[in-house]
Amino acid sequence: DAKTTQPTSMDCAEGRAANLPCNHSTISGNEYVYWYRQIHSQGPQYIIHGLKNNETNEMASLIITEDRKSSTLILPHATLRDTAVYYCIVRVPYNTDKLIFGTGTRLQVFP
Amino acid sequence: GAVVSQHPSWVICKSGTSVKIECRSLDFQATTMFWYRQFPKQSLMLMATSNEGSKATYEQGVEKDKFLINHASLTLSTLTVTSAHPEDSSFYICSASKGAADTQYFGPGTRLTVL
Repeated sequence: DAKTTQPTSMDCAEGRAANLPCNHSTISGNEYVYWYRQIHSQGPQYIIHGLKNNETNEMASLIITEDRKSSTLILPHATLRDTAVYYCIVRVPYNTDKLIFGTGTRLQVFP
Repeated sequence: GAVVSQHPSWVICKSGTSVKIECRSLDFQATTMFWYRQFPKQSLMLMATSNEGSKATYEQGVEKDKFLINHASLTLSTLTVTSAHPEDSSFYICSASKGAADTQYFGPGTRLTVL
């Protein structure tokens, strides 16, 4: 599976949009981009995933560049409860179920 | 939907004893379950993958005789840490998926402390 690169940490003001970038320049055509987050001392929570089209659900939006070498997770109105470590993972369904977690981005939402 | 539970949420045991952790998918049938370990300030490390009714596949460096995994049904997997030692103290997290192409959903984790 392709590797991902994320900033170590980011800050965001409460109520503003949080834009979390992820670089996956070696991604192959059949690899999906998954986002999870982990709030302190809890198990990871699934957020969203996509292949090449932009995706939106009740939690977030996922914007994938046309060349698929990078993506951005958008939390439209961040709250204090969104403070967490966010993981961007690429994965090939049907080939392997494995999720390989990197170090992620620690998002701190402040009042 | 897609809720995964773990029991217990925390456990303290003496060195040399064995500890069993349960992972259940509450509202779906999980063909595949995964066990991860997370040390403080580190990311999750996959320990093993288990498919219902078959032997688990362990990641390199994970001792299969020390970390016994049983996936006897489509809703339950157990991880037994045998002869636990203080270095086994960690946060153990399971996840489950309906099938090979499906999203993994995680349990809340079990914090193990070995004295």
